Amino acid sequence: NAGVTQTPKFQVLKTGQSMTLQCAQDMNHNSMYWYRQDPGMGLRLIYYSASEGTTDKGEVPNGYNVSRLNKREFSLRLESAAPSQTSVYFCASRETGRSVETQYFGPGTRLLVL
Amino acid sequence: DQQVKQNSPSLSVQEGRISILNCDYTNSMFDYFLWYKKYPAEGPTFLISISSIKDKNEDGRFTVFLNKSAKHLSLHIVPSQPGDSAVYFCAASVGTGNQFYFGTGTSLTVIP
Repeated sequence: NAGVTQTPKFQVLKTGQSMTLQCAQDMNHNSMYWYRQDPGMGLRLIYYSASEGTTDKGEVPNGYNVSRLNKREFSLRLESAAPSQTSVYFCASRETGRSVETQYFGPGTRLLVL
Repeated sequence: DQQVKQNSPSLSVQEGRISILNCDYTNSMFDYFLWYKKYPAEGPTFLISISSIKDKNEDGRFTVFLNKSAKHLSLHIVPSQPGDSAVYFCAASVGTGNQFYFGTGTSLTVIP
């Protein structure tokens, strides 16, 4: 049982390049989330998907797009990367309607934008 | 503007002693609070929670206290163990919805 997996683990981009961060969960959860963690800022919600086919903006959505490909997968896309998007990105999933304690996080993707 | 704040970036405690981690929030609508623990190169894992109808919740060595009037919560770890060394995040939400607001984290070091 892998839980929440994220790829890649680490990526270096040049300003203006695009990339997609992948996330998959094998717990049959309805809700999935993307967060970024920056020094001195804690974790901030970028986007979330309460169920397959729906997505909603979180606290810091600008510069990102998301796709809920199916129930298992939720991807985060940077169309034109900027140095301000250098961060550690975490994906999480939760069974909607269950307690908030059931939010599980992936190991993170460390992104450096030069 | 940071709605959840952890003003102590780091804390060192001797093994066996009590660790007290603090968290303040500004949004009076928050009514559900959580603590997460994070080891390096791993994602956060849930530790303990409390709803606003309570002022204390205990789970083994971990106790969370909530002071609604002060908009303050704290996590007590007794006794502290070296394996507790990690970064601790507090988080808050309005109900059990999808928007969670995290603090900046406190790095706890338990010295053997």
